[in-house]
Amino acid sequence: EVQLLESGGGLVQPGKSLRLSCVGSGLTFSDYAMSWVRQAPGKGLEWVSAISGSGGSTYNADSVKGRFTISRDNSKNTLYLQMNSLRAEDTAIYYCAKADSKYYDINGYDDWGQGTLVTVSS
Amino acid sequence: EIVMTQSPATLSVSPGDRATLSCRASHGINNNLAWYQQKPGQAPRLLIYGASTRATGIPARFSGSGSGTEFSLTISSLQSEDFAVFYCQQYNNWPRTFGQGTKVEIK
Repeated sequence: EVQLLESGGGLVQPGKSLRLSCVGSGLTFSDYAMSWVRQAPGKGLEWVSAISGSGGSTYNADSVKGRFTISRDNSKNTLYLQMNSLRAEDTAIYYCAKADSKYYDINGYDDWGQGTLVTVSS
Repeated sequence: EIVMTQSPATLSVSPGDRATLSCRASHGINNNLAWYQQKPGQAPRLLIYGASTRATGIPARFSGSGSGTEFSLTISSLQSEDFAVFYCQQYNNWPRTFGQGTKVEIK
């Protein structure tokens, strides 16, 4: 059974940084592209970033471009999201989500973590 | 960016009834569309990919159709566990985008 476990969320001041992690188990982690998807309180889903299985290709939403960096360490079965220059509008639950292909999400996201809450406030 | 528009925002349905949800893409996305179900306090769950293929373990009462810009998700006979928010998502272009969601509530 695939399990994805996010961590690293919390309360952070505007302009500060935070790094989220997502550890995968029950899968060969490098075989799958991964993404981060967020959900502001009471709102819908917003795709944030994606990375290929090897880590060689990354994609970002315009809303986070230049501030957030997605990366992965396949030796540790871990996905990361480095979030810099955080804003109030970045407040959300951040989910990691697994694609079923090494290169990109050709069939949507078939496994999700439980999410980690990031609150940006002074 | 491809804008995904879902309708209606809320659908009130009685258990056992049929529900049809719509999703429209601002530009053609072939059949690169997924549907997700999200219950309160839970992560989304993949229901449909490729516009019409059920994901593993998804009951046959869920079906998807469409191609290009117009898509739909049909739940043939709503069960109590089906009441939730449903999202469509395109994965034809970067950035990936979701619709704003349709809440299916008990009538």
